[in-house]
Amino acid sequence: GAVVSQHPSRVICKSGTSVKIECRSLDFQATTMFWYRQFPKQSLMLMATSNEGSKATYEQGVEKDKFLINHASLTLSTLTVTSAHPEDSSFYICSAREPGTTNEQFFGPGTRLTVL
Amino acid sequence: AQSVTQPDIHITVSEGASLELRCNYSYGATPYLFWYVQSPGQGLQLLLKYFSGDTLVQGIKGFEAEFKRSQSSFNLRKPSVHWSDAAEYFCAVAAGGSYIPTFGRGTSLIVHP
Repeated sequence: GAVVSQHPSRVICKSGTSVKIECRSLDFQATTMFWYRQFPKQSLMLMATSNEGSKATYEQGVEKDKFLINHASLTLSTLTVTSAHPEDSSFYICSAREPGTTNEQFFGPGTRLTVL
Repeated sequence: AQSVTQPDIHITVSEGASLELRCNYSYGATPYLFWYVQSPGQGLQLLLKYFSGDTLVQGIKGFEAEFKRSQSSFNLRKPSVHWSDAAEYFCAVAAGGSYIPTFGRGTSLIVHP
């Protein structure tokens, strides 16, 4: 299947700083990418849908000014957590959708963010 | 809006035993249904999916699932579990046309030798 990578896999930052997470589709072009957040022992919660060349669509309750999403190319979407706080600590997972009949999403390996 | 219930938080089985993980969904029309597996600290891997057609779906790693509309269920089964199957399993449902899954809370599978 298609491969999606995320970088970094783990990041530790101080409270008040910003952190950027990259999501790349390695062997296909993804017009749509998705960002999820997963708390320990919890399910994945969709944060936003990222469309190449246009603004992201955020789910209800997700602060768009805090979680900045950029989808500048067909293979790269970035999530920037601005002015991070300890409550932003979580596992962030991206997925990419290859256009086609199945519209299957391919998930990245996730990024563990710890805010001190 | 659609929703998914996975009633079992943990399931413990012995290696070689059969497995069934339960999943119930709520959606007004015909849903798209998925099962994903997540190993510790990893992303999700699609095990199988149901869009239409045969209600018994075969997936990777020897897994299968059966869509039962009358019970709003999509239970995952495997006849003989291997130690490497220990992981978190997520059932998901998507509205027709969107393909964007809503996930259940997950079931943690523990395999005893």
